[in-house]
Amino acid sequence: ETGVTQTPRHLVMGMTNKKSLKCEQHLGHNAMYWYKQSAKKPLELMFVYSLEERVENNSVPSRFSPECPNSSHLFLHLHTLQPEDSALYLCASSQDGLAGDTGELFFGEGSRLTVL
Amino acid sequence: AQSVTQLDSQVPVFEEAPVELRCNYSSSVSVYLFWYVQYPNQGLQLLLKYLSGSTLVKGINGFEAEFNKSQTSFHLRKPSVHISDTAEYFCAVSDHENYGQNFVFGPGTRLSVLP
Repeated sequence: ETGVTQTPRHLVMGMTNKKSLKCEQHLGHNAMYWYKQSAKKPLELMFVYSLEERVENNSVPSRFSPECPNSSHLFLHLHTLQPEDSALYLCASSQDGLAGDTGELFFGEGSRLTVL
Repeated sequence: AQSVTQLDSQVPVFEEAPVELRCNYSSSVSVYLFWYVQYPNQGLQLLLKYLSGSTLVKGINGFEAEFNKSQTSFHLRKPSVHISDTAEYFCAVSDHENYGQNFVFGPGTRLSVLP
């Protein structure tokens, strides 16, 4: 396993379902992120975890619930979503803070979510 | 706070022709600059980055970019494109501290390489 892995790659769910997206990074990084990518809109930062603590929540609706049990894993729990939540959800990681050396984000391939 | 502008939402170009994708940014502090590429149904992949030093940066797949501080630009260029370069390209900036949290992406430029 290399880099950042996201599962599932594709997910279709109804508005009353509960599902979760999973992200795992094998790079030894200390920060992880969830981004939302919708058609014709810029990438939106949703959540940031640094050293397993949430440090950023960009006014994301409560129907999205992140979880970071350790520095290698990040989840996005989904419940009672709306059709407009259909998008590509991207996970990323970085070696953040003053100890970082490259400053770049490493992305997974994304989870394509369709809400019916 | 930083912001990024990519003036061209779509750039069509014929195979083997040169291409330039424009990126301008604004920031009150020193920044790191990045270009990412996204192929269909995939995540973002780093093409190149400017952290410090030489203003001409070479990346993967034959791409290069030049940092121009006075014009606050970081345009991406390739002298001869291939069909396989068809993708979405994103310019991004971050500041020098907690850069992961302060990453700002541009809206993207869709490069279409025509045969």
